Amino acid sequence: NAGVTQTPKFQVLKTGQSMTLQCAQDMNHNSMYWYRQDPGMGLRLIYYSASEGTTDKGEVPNGYNVSRLNKREFSLRLESAAPSQTSVYFCASSPRGGRGQKASGSDWCTFGSGTRLTVV
Amino acid sequence: EDKVVQSPLSLVVHEGDTVTLNCSYEVTNFRSLLWYKQEKKAPTFLFMLTSSGIEKKSGRLSSILDKKELSSILNITATQTGDSAIYLCAVKGGTSYGKLTFGQGTILTVHP
Repeated sequence: NAGVTQTPKFQVLKTGQSMTLQCAQDMNHNSMYWYRQDPGMGLRLIYYSASEGTTDKGEVPNGYNVSRLNKREFSLRLESAAPSQTSVYFCASSPRGGRGQKASGSDWCTFGSGTRLTVV
Repeated sequence: EDKVVQSPLSLVVHEGDTVTLNCSYEVTNFRSLLWYKQEKKAPTFLFMLTSSGIEKKSGRLSSILDKKELSSILNITATQTGDSAIYLCAVKGGTSYGKLTFGQGTILTVHP
């Protein structure tokens, strides 16, 4: 049971280069998320997708775009990388995504193992 | 905007000590509060607390939600070196589609 799979695990980019981080989940979850983690700042939400076909901005969306390709896959694209985007990126998924649904044991997110990105 | 603040930001203890980590939050239409443990890689789920489940316990770890004070604590008794990690608190509100808002995390270091 793979859970949430992210690729690549490590990447070094030059300023101005573009790249796409891939994420796939095999748990039939509705919602998927991209977070970045920087020292002393916890995890900050970049974009999320409540369900297949929808995407929304999170807390720090500038410089990023996303695509929810299908229910399984949610990619994050950096069009023109900047040193400020040096970070560890986590993809996550959760079963539910609908407004009005009661909290349940499935409310938590399952995370991928992360991508360490350095922009020089 | 939802907000989560954790304290302390870092903590150094010796094996056998008991620690208490704090999390306070401001969120619209609170649904749940979650605790995660992060070692070298991905955060792993510990507990979820809701209005109907304000106290959880698993082995040496326990957590309580105080909805009146808009806060939660995570207690770890008889700490071990394997408890060294970043502990993350997150809240889920009801106005957004399931997304979590995280605190800064508490870095716990347990020395032998």
